Amino acid sequence: SFELTQPPSVSVSPGQTATITCSGDKLGDQFVCWYQQKPGQSPVVVIYEDSKRPSGIPERFSGSNSGNTATLTISGTQPMDEADYYCQAWDNGALFGGGTKLTVL
Amino acid sequence: EVQMEESGGGLVQPGGSLRLSCVASGFTFSTYEMNWVRQAPGKGLEWVSYISGSSRTIYYADSVKGRFTISRDNAKNSLFLQMDSLRVEDTAVYYCARENLIATAGDFDHWGRGTLVTVSS
Repeated sequence: SFELTQPPSVSVSPGQTATITCSGDKLGDQFVCWYQQKPGQSPVVVIYEDSKRPSGIPERFSGSNSGNTATLTISGTQPMDEADYYCQAWDNGALFGGGTKLTVL
Repeated sequence: EVQMEESGGGLVQPGGSLRLSCVASGFTFSTYEMNWVRQAPGKGLEWVSYISGSSRTIYYADSVKGRFTISRDNAKNSLFLQMDSLRVEDTAVYYCARENLIATAGDFDHWGRGTLVTVSS
């Protein structure tokens, strides 16, 4: 069955670039979106259709998707970006990656 | 302002039933595809079920197929999830999530705050 694989954790220093990957067989053939979830809060979409930013999402969030890997990039990472991030695609229903805990330290 | 509020969660014994509700406001509910997504304590997100605006198309995750039933009442701006034959592994926060109307591949552009379902003896 189709699976989306994310690294469990990523660490980044404030002001640096954070890169979170999401891997799946031929993932580049479909659209991927990304959610940010902070403790005790509901998920918020930060990227949809691979690279589009919803209204209100800072420009430092960007996305790409090619081959077997989708990537969420946070440029100039801020402490407020510390959260869990989930990728999502569709395969007989919505499918989520396992999530990546982003630590900003 | 788009708002969605879930209710109906609680503690139930294995084999029992619960009915979750999600009341929406701030948008034309009937035009949006809706989903239920759950999150077990300390775990990741898991999609549960989908329903089209007209209720003509419905999908379920294999893990709940045959036990859960999704429905909606567009006149009351409400989404439901009837959960039967509950198992310990169904313990989770259940979110209702709206699909993005303008996206080709629907992302979930608005989520409720969730309601906690605990299945335990």
